[in-house]
Amino acid sequence: DTEVTQTPKHLVMGMTNKKSLKCEQHMGHRAMYWYKQKAKKPPELMFVYSYEKLSINESVPSRFSPECPNSSLLNLHLHALQPEDSALYLCASSQVWDNYEQYFGPGTRLTVT
Amino acid sequence: AQKITQTQPGMFVQEKEAVTLDCTYDTSDPSYGLFWYKQPSSGEMIFLIYQGSYDQQNATEGRYSLNFQKARKSANLVISASQLGDSAMYFCAMREEPQGGSEKLVFGKGMKLTVNP
Repeated sequence: DTEVTQTPKHLVMGMTNKKSLKCEQHMGHRAMYWYKQKAKKPPELMFVYSYEKLSINESVPSRFSPECPNSSLLNLHLHALQPEDSALYLCASSQVWDNYEQYFGPGTRLTVT
Repeated sequence: AQKITQTQPGMFVQEKEAVTLDCTYDTSDPSYGLFWYKQPSSGEMIFLIYQGSYDQQNATEGRYSLNFQKARKSANLVISASQLGDSAMYFCAMREEPQGGSEKLVFGKGMKLTVNP
């Protein structure tokens, strides 16, 4: 099984809403990632979890709050977002060391109104 | 700081022809990894091929091969016998030095490939 799943596929939320994005993998990977991708741009790294601990936070605003409840699950909690946060949010996973490729999920297309 | 450059914003190729997608990189790290990903309009990033800086041979995966020229710091992706399903965005990426036990990928801007019937 080389699949990373993400739910929901699409999400529309108001600026005062609280929502969560979910990501799951069953490949035994111990590194998981959140990326943000705007249209016609490359993915931008937001967070990295290694062995369920946050190891990289790329100075992401606090309205984005990641959580890694176990080695298979990764959440991104959203609160008080801005319209400019509308983007494709991609989750990925990989082995921790040695140039292993990252496997990406299909993404969640988020629209903030 | 490491950097990936993809200068071709878009390319068109006829079905069944071969196409080369350019990627140059800049790093002072002697150990690095280079990746190519494909992103169809559906949004999912699909891993295509990997080349390590110490690999003696160019990487190949089916119709994909990587033309790795270390001295020129280029890692061009060659797609042989293009198919309509190859139409997508293509991103070249490089591994950054691990931080806190985690690897980061630095992506190029990407380039859009269109395969014509």
